[in-house]
Amino acid sequence: SQQGEEDPQALSIQEGENATMNCSYKTSINNLQWYRQNSGRGLVHLILIRSNEREKHSGRLRVTLDTSKKSSSLLITASRAADTASYFCATGPVGGANSKLTFGKGITLSVRP
Amino acid sequence: AAGVIQSPRHLIKEKRETATLKCYPIPRHDTVYWYQQGPGQDPQFLISFYEKMQSDKGSIPDRFSAQQFSDYHSELNMSSLELGDSALYFCASSLPQTDEQFFGPGTRLTVL
Repeated sequence: SQQGEEDPQALSIQEGENATMNCSYKTSINNLQWYRQNSGRGLVHLILIRSNEREKHSGRLRVTLDTSKKSSSLLITASRAADTASYFCATGPVGGANSKLTFGKGITLSVRP
Repeated sequence: AAGVIQSPRHLIKEKRETATLKCYPIPRHDTVYWYQQGPGQDPQFLISFYEKMQSDKGSIPDRFSAQQFSDYHSELNMSSLELGDSALYFCASSLPQTDEQFFGPGTRLTVL
C-alpha cells in the first residue's frame, strides 16, 4: 500500500538552481528517509530524519519534517547534472528498530546542464 | 566500504520456472529486507529477517519463500513464475537496532 505521496511527480530545473521535493504520509512514523535512484539502478540512502527532529542537513541536502502535517521536504541546493535521478521518501513505522520501510511514489528530477 | 551484494544482477526466466535470488548483507548487518519494484513503481516490502528468523512479512506471494542463513546471507526463492513477477528485486540490510537501510544494486528479473 502506498504511504507517501511525493510532490511534484516530476521536476526539471537548471543546473545551479535549488530543487525542492515534498512528501506526505498517512500513518504515525518513527523516521523518514530519502533515497535516490538512478534510472533502473539501486537505491542510495541520502538522509534519515527522526520523528522528534524538525530539520536536518547533509552537505547540499536539507530535510524538514512536520509530523503535525505528516509531510517532509527535501531541498537540494546548487543542483548539478549528476543529481538527475528519481527521489523517494520512505517511512519507518512506530515501534522497534529494523522495521520495514514504506515507500512513496518517486519524484523524477532532471537537472539541465 | 563494503556494500550489499546481490546476485545475479540480471535473470531471464520463462513462465512457470523457478528463480533463486541471493543477497549478501554488509558485514555486521544482521537484518535483511527484500523489496520488489515493478516498472515505474515504488519499492514494495516483501519480507525481512533478523538473526535468521523471519521478522516481518509484506505483500509476498505464497509462491515466494525466503530464508536467512547462518552467515546472514539471504535467498529469495520464487516458483511458478508469472509475467507479473518481472521487476527489480532489492535486498537491503541494516545494523542491529538501527533504522537506516542500505540497498544492494538489485536483481532485474524478466519473466517471458
